[in-house]
Amino acid sequence: SAVISQKPSRDICQRGTSLTIQCQVDSQVTMMFWYRQQPGQSLTLIATANQGSEATYESGFVIDKFPISRPNLTFSTLTVSNMSPEDSSIYLCSGSPGPGEKLFFGSGTQLSVL
Amino acid sequence: KQEVTQIPAALSVPEGENLVLNCSFTDSAIYNLQWFRQDPGKGLTSLLLIQSSQREQTSGRLNASLDKSSGRSTLYIAASQPGDSATYLCAVRPETDSWGKFQFGAGTQVVVTP
Repeated sequence: SAVISQKPSRDICQRGTSLTIQCQVDSQVTMMFWYRQQPGQSLTLIATANQGSEATYESGFVIDKFPISRPNLTFSTLTVSNMSPEDSSIYLCSGSPGPGEKLFFGSGTQLSVL
Repeated sequence: KQEVTQIPAALSVPEGENLVLNCSFTDSAIYNLQWFRQDPGKGLTSLLLIQSSQREQTSGRLNASLDKSSGRSTLYIAASQPGDSATYLCAVRPETDSWGKFQFGAGTQVVVTP
């Protein structure tokens, strides 16, 4: 099973600033996924990140707000740009080693925007 | 559009009782279904993955069943312990997308009292 290290684990940020979240996987995964979990709610997919190509964003999420990098098969970053209090959430990265295999998650980043 | 429902939203049981958690989905065309555990403010821990061709999966005190045609899965946790207190989420992967885009339920929050 894959282990995903995610950092930071939590942060408190000021309105208008940006935060970059990093995820490092201990093995190669073809697809990585970024989710948001707002307080008391389930997970919402932000985007799918494939190595060497631009991320694919879900409806309601745009690249200017949530730029994603995926430079290789073991690493990805998500930036939350120009933050507002509405961006306060848990952000989660995940990956799957192959089609139909288990989805593994990082430990999450709890973001609070003041 | 696939809808995943978990009932009840919250559950409290005394230690030692068996836990029964339900997950239903509206579109039976699924590739597989995965159960997760989430502790407060943390990421998701994978529990069990059931492929669409399987009826059940077991790991220790955990047993998950799948009735694809009726759109239901049940997670059984035998002899519950206070350490089982967490939110349990189920997620389904569509038959047409074996690489990901799981649809998540809202979760069942479990409290096991000593």
